[in-house]
Amino acid sequence: SYELTQPPSVSVSPGQTARITCSGDALPKKYAYWYQQKSGQAPVLVIYEDRRRPSGIPERFSGSSSGTVATLTISGAQVEDEADYYCYSTDSSDNHWVFGGGTKLTVL
Amino acid sequence: QLQLQESGPGLVKPSETLSLTCTVSGGPIDDSHYYWGWIRQPPGKGLEWLGNIYESRSTYYKSSLKSRLTISGDTSKNQVSLKLNSVTAADSAVYFCASGQAPYGDNSEFWYFDLWGRGTLVTVSS
Repeated sequence: SYELTQPPSVSVSPGQTARITCSGDALPKKYAYWYQQKSGQAPVLVIYEDRRRPSGIPERFSGSSSGTVATLTISGAQVEDEADYYCYSTDSSDNHWVFGGGTKLTVL
Repeated sequence: QLQLQESGPGLVKPSETLSLTCTVSGGPIDDSHYYWGWIRQPPGKGLEWLGNIYESRSTYYKSSLKSRLTISGDTSKNQVSLKLNSVTAADSAVYFCASGQAPYGDNSEFWYFDLWGRGTLVTVSS
């Protein structure tokens, strides 16, 4: 079955740039999406179609994709950005979707 | 504006069927501009996509759960339901209902969730 691979954790100091990667064989042809999930809450979409930002999401959140790796970048990370981040995409059939394993971002 | 609310038993016995309902307000579930899905998250673990439904007729299931999982729509009640048979402790999780736009109808390549319910915790235990 299709898998998306993320690092389990990323740690940065406030104001630094955090980068979270997501690796998947179908990503050269399929969009990546990114969700932020804070403790006890439902996930929130922060990036869609590789690099587009929904309304209400701060500009410090950006996305990119190259080859088999999609990247979520948080420029000038803030303490409030501490959360779990999940990438999401579909396999080549477009009938099966998968989340990455999640990355815990620590900002301190 | 669409809103989603999950409901169902919080405790299910092993080998029985887990049944959950997602009540949708703010729009009909058979609106061709939207699709609906279920995702779960075991305690302390990551998100797992379970399945999607479009126009109450087209369904897509995670391969490993396909034999146990049914997602259906009830347009009279404006609800999307999930049924998971023969549950074990491994099925204990917070279950989320979610929705997304379907800009190209049943061309699922561009589907993603942009609205989530708050989730409901289901524990499988005797």
